[in-house]
Amino acid sequence: DARVTQTPRDKVTEMGQEVTMRCQPILGHNTVFWYRQTMMQGLELLAYFRNRAPLDDSGMPKDRFSAEMPDATLATLKIQPSEPRDSAVYFCASGPGQGETEAFFGQGTRLTVV
Amino acid sequence: AQSVAQPEDQVNVAEGNPLTVKCTYSVSGNPYLFWYVQYPNRGLQFLLKYITGDNLVKGSYGFEAEFNKSQTSFHLKKPSALVSDSALYFCAVRDIRVTGGGNKLTFGTGTQLKVEL
Repeated sequence: DARVTQTPRDKVTEMGQEVTMRCQPILGHNTVFWYRQTMMQGLELLAYFRNRAPLDDSGMPKDRFSAEMPDATLATLKIQPSEPRDSAVYFCASGPGQGETEAFFGQGTRLTVV
Repeated sequence: AQSVAQPEDQVNVAEGNPLTVKCTYSVSGNPYLFWYVQYPNRGLQFLLKYITGDNLVKGSYGFEAEFNKSQTSFHLKKPSALVSDSALYFCAVRDIRVTGGGNKLTFGTGTQLKVEL
């Protein structure tokens, strides 16, 4: 059963610490998305990769957030330094790349910054 | 720019009654449209999509959606609601003319569906 895997599922950290979230997309999918979900803002697109290249990261705060795909099986989202306002659920999704296909979501990482 | 509106934060319906969750969209060209469902502490699960062809699309768990181009709507429906359908529902759109970096999925704010006995 192919699925998107995210780690960790939950993370509590202190303000100022570095946080790294990881995502393993479905094998063969060449597009990866990072979304952030909060009560106030709903689902926000942070970054979007195709064939490991970043195509759109306009939704991501550049000063503290960074997203990379070191290889086709791993996507990372890093926050440094973390702030309480970063507390949210972060979702990774992957897709086969064609516009008409749906994206498949991971279970999310619930981040709490205290 | 593409956008999606879900005008209702919450929809309440009695079990066994039909349900409708509303969605309207805005794109420059023609849309690809999607519905997703999110259960508590879970990721989003794909329900159904409209790409082309028949305006009535059938999906998982007995859900269907009707594409209406003139009204730019894609409402989610189910003839008979179940308590287990209670969840957060998201509509999403992608502009079929846009490729590359702009070919992203834009989500609505979500509608909480509550089905009661």
